[in-house]
Amino acid sequence: KQEVTQIPAALSVPEGENLVLNCSFTDSAIYNLQWFRQDPGKGLTSLLLIQSSQREQTSGRLNASLDKSSGRSTLYIAASQPGDSATYLCAVSPGLDLIFGKGTTLSVSS
Amino acid sequence: DAGVIQSPRHEVTEMGQEVTLRCKPISGHDYLFWYRQTMMRGLELLIYFNNNVPIDDSGMPEDRFSAKMPNASFSTLKIQPSEPRDSAVYFCASSTGLAGFTDTQYFGPGTRLTVL
Repeated sequence: KQEVTQIPAALSVPEGENLVLNCSFTDSAIYNLQWFRQDPGKGLTSLLLIQSSQREQTSGRLNASLDKSSGRSTLYIAASQPGDSATYLCAVSPGLDLIFGKGTTLSVSS
Repeated sequence: DAGVIQSPRHEVTEMGQEVTLRCKPISGHDYLFWYRQTMMRGLELLIYFNNNVPIDDSGMPEDRFSAKMPNASFSTLKIQPSEPRDSAVYFCASSTGLAGFTDTQYFGPGTRLTVL
């Protein structure tokens, strides 16, 4: 059974710092991996989607990498801002559905 | 498009009552998903539909839960009778489900259910 783990569960950093969020999964048979952002009381917003054949994806200050063979992904956030404060969820797709980690709650202080 | 629409946004009910959650997917999306999010278990897939047909309901916790999709623009998730342990945030999501699974899912804002 696929399991997705995210470490750390919570992270607090000062504004301007670069940071890395980690995601690991137990079964490498995935079609893609996605990173989502969830703001309090709101739904999820997709940030980056990495196909299983890809190694990384970039969007603005965000860069996500995927090492399928080792079952790991990282989300790198450059020059963090208070507006980046949210919960970041990693999800893998064994098919049409998604299996989520429990997320990392990020707090960026000004 | 307005995105995925869910109603109500908040629902408070008493144990034993019937609860109906509603979802309108993004127009043109062939796949609809229902998820439940709790602190203990995180986000879990309950059921998903393709072209209004339920494909996989293995995540539905028990017979008290049922979901329908009578047409391409509307789906319901019903809990009857409700129990306090059903308290959670329920999300609906939709996608085009393109070949190769390249498309992401678009999530609604969720319904926060509290069963007293």
